[in-house]
Amino acid sequence: QVQLQESGPGLVKPSETLSLTCTVSGGSVSSANYYWSWIRQPPGKGLEWVGNMYYSGSTTYNPSLKTRVTISVDTSKNQFSLNLSSVTAADTAVYYCARGFTVVRGVIYDYWGQGTLVTVSS
Amino acid sequence: DIQMTQSPSTLSASIGDRVTITCRASQSISSWLAWYQQRPGKAPTLLIYRASSLQRGVPSSFSGSGSGTEFTLTISSLQPDAVATYYCQQYNSYPWTFGQGTKVEIK
Repeated sequence: QVQLQESGPGLVKPSETLSLTCTVSGGSVSSANYYWSWIRQPPGKGLEWVGNMYYSGSTTYNPSLKTRVTISVDTSKNQFSLNLSSVTAADTAVYYCARGFTVVRGVIYDYWGQGTLVTVSS
Repeated sequence: DIQMTQSPSTLSASIGDRVTITCRASQSISSWLAWYQQRPGKAPTLLIYRASSLQRGVPSSFSGSGSGTEFTLTISSLQPDAVATYYCQQYNSYPWTFGQGTKVEIK
């Protein structure tokens, strides 16, 4: 059974960088054909896809965040990470890490972390 | 970006009722649509993909249909553990986008 667990600061100051890590157990971030992703949910609102990292290392980001977001992987620790720079209050959200897979086309998400609330405030 | 619009935003029904949620895409997405269930305070879970394929382990009381721009999620008999918010997601083209959610409550 694959499990994902987010970790990182729950409070970030405006203009600083939000950094989160997702630790994967029961599976490998190097497993072929999987995507390792971040999805966020502002309090009381819907889901927003942030970006993907394919097992090969290629990344795709939401254009609305592209200039500020980086997803990276540490295969030795079986972790992947999210960095989001120059944050504002609009980046306050529950951040989920998730495993994605493809069925012919696109990416859908079958395993999710429990989510971690990140608040942007001074 | 492809906009996904769900209706209704909130739905109140009785135990045993048949419940239907609609998701509309701003352009054709063929059958590249998934549905997720999010129980209060929990992460979403995948219910259906490719518009009508049931994810492993999901009860057969859930079903999906549609193609192009209009899709439906049906719960054949509403049970208490189906109280949740349901989201559709298109994966036809980047960026993947979700509907705003439909909250299902027990009347």
